Amino acid sequence: DQQVKQNSPSLSVQEGRISILNCDYTNSMFDYFLWYKKYPAEGPTFLISISSIKDKNEDGRFTVFLNKSAKHLSLHIVPSQPGDSAVYFCAASAGTYKYIFGTGTRLKVLA
Amino acid sequence: SQTIHQWPATLVQPVGSPLSLECTVEGTSNPNLYWYRQAAGRGLQLLFYSVGIGQISSEVPQNLSASRPQDRQFILSSKKLLLSDSGFYLCAWSAGTGLNEQFFGPGTRLTVL
Repeated sequence: DQQVKQNSPSLSVQEGRISILNCDYTNSMFDYFLWYKKYPAEGPTFLISISSIKDKNEDGRFTVFLNKSAKHLSLHIVPSQPGDSAVYFCAASAGTYKYIFGTGTRLKVLA
Repeated sequence: SQTIHQWPATLVQPVGSPLSLECTVEGTSNPNLYWYRQAAGRGLQLLFYSVGIGQISSEVPQNLSASRPQDRQFILSSKKLLLSDSGFYLCAWSAGTGLNEQFFGPGTRLTVL
């Protein structure tokens, strides 16, 4: 049972445009969400997080939106840069030590 | 600042051989520690996590085991590797209390032949 889903395995965006990466979850007990960026043969790097008491969190070019009623979160990258090309994972926690990761979305930013 | 180390970076092992991957964290105390596996084209699968010395929680029944002999040391082991154990293994840590992000090590690429 995949509790955290990233239904788009890949996404291509032109440089300078907005990238929107989506994530859906099924467990209503999840209360903390994170986004990670991963390059090949490296460990994931933490990007941004959001608590369930908020619906938006912004850090530079990265903004995460949370829609609790739809059990959906998204990561917006504006403007997209070629260096943003990587696999992006969303993860969720239900207030425990466990984090459940999605299967990832490969973003390709075209120059 | 905190750092996390994993070794080796790559490993090629024959089927049936033993495995030991080591992970250490510096610059923090009493971290939560995690082992994940990323199989080819797949997401991150949580294998084990530990909230303290000697405390190991297993998420998936499998051919692997984990141990935490010291506060900042986490070891992933197998007595006999299977072909299906091939993958990219990642160690991670998070602060012991509250809602905190995880920080990942550089990973170990394991190929079982």
